[in-house]
This record gives sequence, C-alpha cells and structure tokens, in this order.
Amino acid sequence: SQKIEQNSEALNIQEGKTATLTCNYTNYSPAYLQWYRQDPGRGPVFLLLIRENEKEKRKERLKVTFDTTLKQSLFHITASQPADSATYLCALPLNAGGTSYGKLTFGQGTILTVHP
Amino acid sequence: NAGVTQTPKFQVLKTGQSMTLQCAQDMNHEYMSWYRQDPGMGLRLIHYSVGAGITDQGEVPNGYNVSRSTTEDFPLRLLSAAPSQTSVYFCASRNTGPKADTQYFGPGTRLTVL
Repeated sequence: SQKIEQNSEALNIQEGKTATLTCNYTNYSPAYLQWYRQDPGRGPVFLLLIRENEKEKRKERLKVTFDTTLKQSLFHITASQPADSATYLCALPLNAGGTSYGKLTFGQGTILTVHP
Repeated sequence: NAGVTQTPKFQVLKTGQSMTLQCAQDMNHEYMSWYRQDPGMGLRLIHYSVGAGITDQGEVPNGYNVSRSTTEDFPLRLLSAAPSQTSVYFCASRNTGPKADTQYFGPGTRLTVL
C-alpha cells in the first residue's frame, strides 16, 4: 500500500530564514499533492496543491516543488516569521489516478517553530 | 458562510456507549468526509460521501457508520464506543470539478472513550 512520510517531526529556525519541509511517498504515482497548515486545536487549512505535471508552484512566501522521479515534495517558507509556527501536513489522494473525490492520505506532519 | 461546523467540540464516553458526531457545511459541496487524527499517525480517512444518499468506506471504517440524507449534513455514528476510538475527529468537504481540490476542514471533535 502507499506510504507517505514527512521526515522531520520538528524543525526550528530563526526568523527571516527559509524553512524547508520534506514529504516523501512510496508505492504509487499520485495525480497531485497538497500541503496544509494546522494550528493547535484547529482543523487543517489548505495552502497549496501541485499537480504531477507541475514542477513548482508559488503563493506569496510559499513555494512547493514536486519531483515525481524522486517521489518527493519540498515545501518552502521564505522570510519566515514567528506567525508561521504551526504543524504542516502533506497529503496525497488515497487512490492512484486522477479522481480522488477528496479522499486523502496524510503524512504525520512537521512541527515548525520560528524563533524571533 | 459558516463553512464546515462540527458538534460537539469535546465528548467523553464510556466503553459501549453510542453517540453521533455532527457535521454540517453551508457551501453546497457534494463531497464530504470524516477523518480521525491520532498522535504521530496523521489524519486517516474513516468514511466519505460523494453526494446525498451515497457513502463509502475509507481506510479505517470499522466501528463507525455514516449516512448522507442531505447535501449539508454528514453525521458519524459510533455504535459501541471503544477506547481505541479515542481521537480527534475532523469532518471535511470539497466542491466538485477538476479545479476544486481544496478541502475545507471543520474545527474537530475531541473524543475520549474511557
């Protein structure tokens, strides 16, 4: 079965630096990959989606890459701020193929702490 | 729009009790789903629905039932609660169409089964 791993449980960085989070997956080829932010006691909030035919996508200070050969996505936050401190989750469609109907499988998350 | 709402926020049950976790959305989304989140394991899909009257199982459906009589509501029923069902439960919804991949999550229900 497919497996998704975020290889850092926690990441601590200084304000102003770039945070880079990694998501690896095995055993299938997803049509897209998503990144979410989750604050303590709250539900996940969608940030970005990148499709299998896209190498890179940007939104304000966020950048996501998707390497289908390495089966890896990198999530970057540039000029990081203490307000960026949260848990970041990557998610893939539960089934291979283009139609997932919103059925997702999630990584365990990376806790990012940005120190002033 | 209120988005996705869930009630209750917190619940404590004894083993063997039953209860229903409520979920509603006011965005007219066809797709709705239930996830549970456990420490160190990420969110796991319990059940999902692609429209009123249509439901199917996700990764971890055992011990849970769902029904979808309206577009807005998607309740999750625990028939006989077990300590292994202690978790945080999230309901989510999304729209249809090839570009509509954003999932909207509710605030969650924290359930403890003693």
